[in-house]
Formats: sequence, structure tokens, C-alpha cells
Amino acid sequence: EADIYQTPRYLVIGTGKKITLECSQTMGHDKMYWYQQDPGMELHLIHYSYGVNSTEKGDLSSESTVSRIRTEHFPLTLESARPSHTSQYLCASSGGTLNTEAFFGQGTRLTVV
Amino acid sequence: RKEVEQDPGPFNVPEGATVAFNCTYSNSASQSFFWYRQDCRKEPKLLMSVYSSGNEDGRFTAQLNRASQYISLLIRDSKLSDSATYLCVVNMRGGSYIPTFGRGTSLIVHP
Repeated sequence: EADIYQTPRYLVIGTGKKITLECSQTMGHDKMYWYQQDPGMELHLIHYSYGVNSTEKGDLSSESTVSRIRTEHFPLTLESARPSHTSQYLCASSGGTLNTEAFFGQGTRLTVV
Repeated sequence: RKEVEQDPGPFNVPEGATVAFNCTYSNSASQSFFWYRQDCRKEPKLLMSVYSSGNEDGRFTAQLNRASQYISLLIRDSKLSDSATYLCVVNMRGGSYIPTFGRGTSLIVHP
């Protein structure tokens, strides 16, 4: 069982609110990722990090921001939520070597009303 | 062109059937390959890694063809519980080692 946790699991929030989705892993992985996935659709990489103080934007244009102050923690923040942000957000991490797989948290299902 | 391409399906097969999924990737420098399984509204989970010589795990067999940049997954004796989306994953995006996912192939196994 992977030791990567996301909170909250479900969130319904009003337009314009600021939200932070939490992601923590206890595996000591350097690399962490955020993916966005709509129902029945593919995963889109929105942010990634190679380690502390390293963050990069992914393929999908996103109005979210991330931080990596500690190895185990990779929160994602939306400053002003909009209905278009409604989606599932999946956090993942992987170890330092090339051939290690990514482990996923259970996801946060966000609904902006 | 997408970095990882898969036929989305769905593949609709009876129990006991053998089914094969294919995946192509665009970056010839890719080194690591995986198949993940994703159930409806759940997170992806590793099914198996894919090794150059091919590898088998019970009813599942994965193959890699580097020359053609092609990965396959064969499922023998399909079970109802195999119904899921199968994601092909390549650990390369541009020059970075980042898990890059195909859009997935949907499998429905019926009685």
C-alpha cells in the first residue's frame, strides 16, 4: 500500500474562494506530481517537483500554484476557485531512480459551485 | 503528436477471452515503461513494469519493442474483475523523467 495521502477527499466550494489541496508522502520520494483528471478523460500533468524548493509547471495550463518546502509535502493552491476548476486532482510521487513507478494518492474531487 | 498514444476502446470481451492492448510512445530516449490500472473514480495503480525482454505476471504479459516504440499488454483468461481502464506510462517527457500517461484503454469483461 502506497504511503501518499491527499486531503480532503471531496470538496464543494463556492466561486472565488481560496483553497489548498494537501498531499503528503512518507516514502521519502524526491519527485512529486499533480495531475488533473476529468471523468473518463486522461490525466494531465499540471505541476511537478524534483525536490525541496523545486517546482515546475506541467502541460496543462493551470491557475493553481504549488510549493515544496518539505520533501514530504506538496500542496496545491487555487487563489480563486471557478466552476472550470471542477475536476479530480491526483497527487503522485516517485523515487529517485529512473525505473521506479509513481504512487498515487486517492485524489481530491473538487466541485466549484 | 501525443507523447503516449493508446486506443481508448472500449474493448468488450467475454469472460475467458484473451485481449491485447497496444501503446506507442514518441520519445526514443524513454527508458522506463509501465502499465497501470485505473478503476472508475479511483486513482491509478501499478499493474506491472515493462522490461526489455518482456515479462509475465500471472495472466498478464507485457512486451516492449524499442525499435518500433511500442508497448503491449496481453490479458489471458479475462475475469469480470479485469474490467477497468489500462494506462500505458512512459517515464519521459521532453528531456525530463516524468511519468507520462496515455489516455487509457477501457476494458469491459462480460459474463
